[in-house]
Amino acid sequence: DTGVSQDPRHKITKRGQNVTFRCDPISEHNRLYWYRQTLGQGPEFLTYFQNEAQLEKSRLLSDRFSAERPKGSFSTLEIQRTEQGDSAMYLCASRSGAGGFYNEQFFGPGTRLTVL
Amino acid sequence: GENVEQHPSTLSVQEGDSAVIKCTYSDSASNYFPWYKQELGKGPQLIIDIRSNVGEKKDQRIAVTLNKTAKHFSLHITETQPEDSAVYFCAATYSSASKIIFGSGTRLSIRP
Repeated sequence: DTGVSQDPRHKITKRGQNVTFRCDPISEHNRLYWYRQTLGQGPEFLTYFQNEAQLEKSRLLSDRFSAERPKGSFSTLEIQRTEQGDSAMYLCASRSGAGGFYNEQFFGPGTRLTVL
Repeated sequence: GENVEQHPSTLSVQEGDSAVIKCTYSDSASNYFPWYKQELGKGPQLIIDIRSNVGEKKDQRIAVTLNKTAKHFSLHITETQPEDSAVYFCAATYSSASKIIFGSGTRLSIRP
């Protein structure tokens, strides 16, 4: 399977714990995105990487959230001191930079986080 | 600010009938409008897209229309089939950014 993969698919944690999610993009894609999707809503943009550089961060990304893409390949999203309001589906997407910005963003299956 | 509104939130149609989902966007700088289908337990998947220099685009049973003046765009699905049941999202991408701004989604159900 050469699509975007995310791990884990499900995570249940207690309030106050730290969690980390991983995203492996399509191998030749240099652009990587994180979105958050709550029940009954569309995905909301969190942050964007071009290669290893984090180029944009949403106001939704509080100081408890941090994302990295150290070698321009896989990315991690960490949430510190989780709160119940962090419960959501966290989606990763990637796209090729070649050919301009009309290129499709390919989404992974998401990591569903439940904070008890 | 950047905003995409989508309606209806739920839509139920008889198999074989047509379904229409409508969206509006707020920023006139938007120039690319993808539509995504999301099935249960999966990430969104692109089904069709349209650029701002095009008024209509069709791909088999799916068509999209764009009215730049009114900032409206729509998805039309003809001859609906059970496998069309899913949540559909309209979206807009702004020229100065590569992030996608999604609508709130339409849950489409196809009645047999």
